[in-house]
Amino acid sequence: EIVLTQSPGTLSLSPGERATLSCRASQTVSSNFLIWYQQKPGQSPRLLIYGASSRSTGIPDRFSGSGSGTDFTLTISRLEPEDFAVYYCQQCGHSPPCTFGQGTKLEIK
Amino acid sequence: QVQLVQSGAEVKKPGASVKVSCKTSGYTFTNYGINWVRQSPRQGLEWMGWINPSNGNTNYAQKFQDRVTMTTDTSTSTAYMELRTLMSDDTAVYYCARDVQWRVLEWVRYLDPWGQGTLVTVSS
Repeated sequence: EIVLTQSPGTLSLSPGERATLSCRASQTVSSNFLIWYQQKPGQSPRLLIYGASSRSTGIPDRFSGSGSGTDFTLTISRLEPEDFAVYYCQQCGHSPPCTFGQGTKLEIK
Repeated sequence: QVQLVQSGAEVKKPGASVKVSCKTSGYTFTNYGINWVRQSPRQGLEWMGWINPSNGNTNYAQKFQDRVTMTTDTSTSTAYMELRTLMSDDTAVYYCARDVQWRVLEWVRYLDPWGQGTLVTVSS
C-alpha cells in the first residue's frame, strides 16, 4: 500500500500570501493518478486537481499542482478568505487500494 | 447536474450491521464506478472500496474485505454499502463518490462528485 505523507500538518498564513502544501509518497505514484481535494467544515471533499496538475472545472487559476514520482505540491498563489480549509492528496490508480494523505489544515494567521 | 444523495444518519450497537444508500442522478449510472470512503478524526479519510455498476465487479480494501459488501440497483441508479460486525472504531462519516476515469493521451482517475456523507455512530 502506498502511504502518502502531507506536510505541514497545519499552515498558518494571511490572505494574499502564497501557500505551498506538500504530499510525499512512500513509492512512485503515476502523476496521472495524483489528486488534490479541498474540504471545508461540515462539507464533503471537493475535487481541486487531478493528474497532479489539471484543475477541475470551476477551480480558480490561483490553485496549481505540480510534481512527479514521490513528491507532489499544491500551490495557492494568493490566498483568498474562502481558501482556508483542509487539503488532502490522494493516489488512486488502476491497482487498489486508493490511499489518502492525512491532510494539511490551512488556517488564517 | 450530477448529484449523489445519501441516506440519513444511523445509530447502531456493536455487532450490528449498517447499510448506507447513495442515490445518483444527472448521469448514466452504469458508465461510472462508485467508491466508498469513510472519515473519522482518528483515521482520517479511508478508501473502503469500489464497485462497477455495469457488471457488479468490486474491489475492496483489504482492511474491510471480510465485513463489507457493495452493491448497486441499476433500476434506481442507487449504490449501497453494507458494513457488518460493527465496532466503536467504525463510527465515522461514510461517503460515496463517483469514480471518473478517462483517457486523452493517458488515463486519469479521480473521485467527483461526492455525496453529502452519512454519519454512522456505533455505541452500546
